[in-house]
Amino acid sequence: QKEVEQDPGPLSVPEGAIVSLNCTYSNSAFQYFMWYRQYSRKGPELLMYTYSSGNKEDGRFTAQVDKSSKYISLFIRDSQPSDSATYLCAMSTPPGNQFYFGTGTSLTVIP
Amino acid sequence: EAGVAQSPRYKIIEKRQSVAFWCNPISGHATLYWYQQILGQGPKLLIQFQNNGVVDDSQLPKDRFSAERLKGVDSTLKIQPAKLEDSAVYLCASSLDGLPVLFFGPGTRLTVL
Repeated sequence: QKEVEQDPGPLSVPEGAIVSLNCTYSNSAFQYFMWYRQYSRKGPELLMYTYSSGNKEDGRFTAQVDKSSKYISLFIRDSQPSDSATYLCAMSTPPGNQFYFGTGTSLTVIP
Repeated sequence: EAGVAQSPRYKIIEKRQSVAFWCNPISGHATLYWYQQILGQGPKLLIQFQNNGVVDDSQLPKDRFSAERLKGVDSTLKIQPAKLEDSAVYLCASSLDGLPVLFFGPGTRLTVL
């Protein structure tokens, strides 16, 4: 079983839709949870990170962590064509700073 | 605050040739990572440095890949000789002690012909 599972998609939605991206994991020791956005031919860009459980909001983006279910989500409200990218989830276990990645979900927002 | 810098951005070489990539992490970030990302996959760790010491190089193909981080700042990753399957994006990332969150550079896209 992989440490982190992420549906690769592809996911295609109309502009303005609410997008839900998800990852599941198996290691209960994970404490930090990150979401990255990666445009084609670019490096991953950190969108948000959360520590332990709970929600975090930044503009149109909301990250949720449910440690009891080992499940994390990224919601994008009022999706825009500029949100079209691959979204990677990642998790880490301090203090060793080891990181575990999902395979990424490809999202296309259609104007 | 300047981000992680990498060069070159693109490189095309013939198989069996050698290539080197350079990375400068975010100022003050003690931990530096090199990842390999193949199209459609998540990043795969090649090597992790803490200052100028190696923390993890278990997935580095040491018969052809080498990396160093002199003076605990800049780092270089070298491939010699390159194989076709080395075609990938090579990502450098850094993190701050006490905050296990990764910051990536723009990557180097390597094509081996």
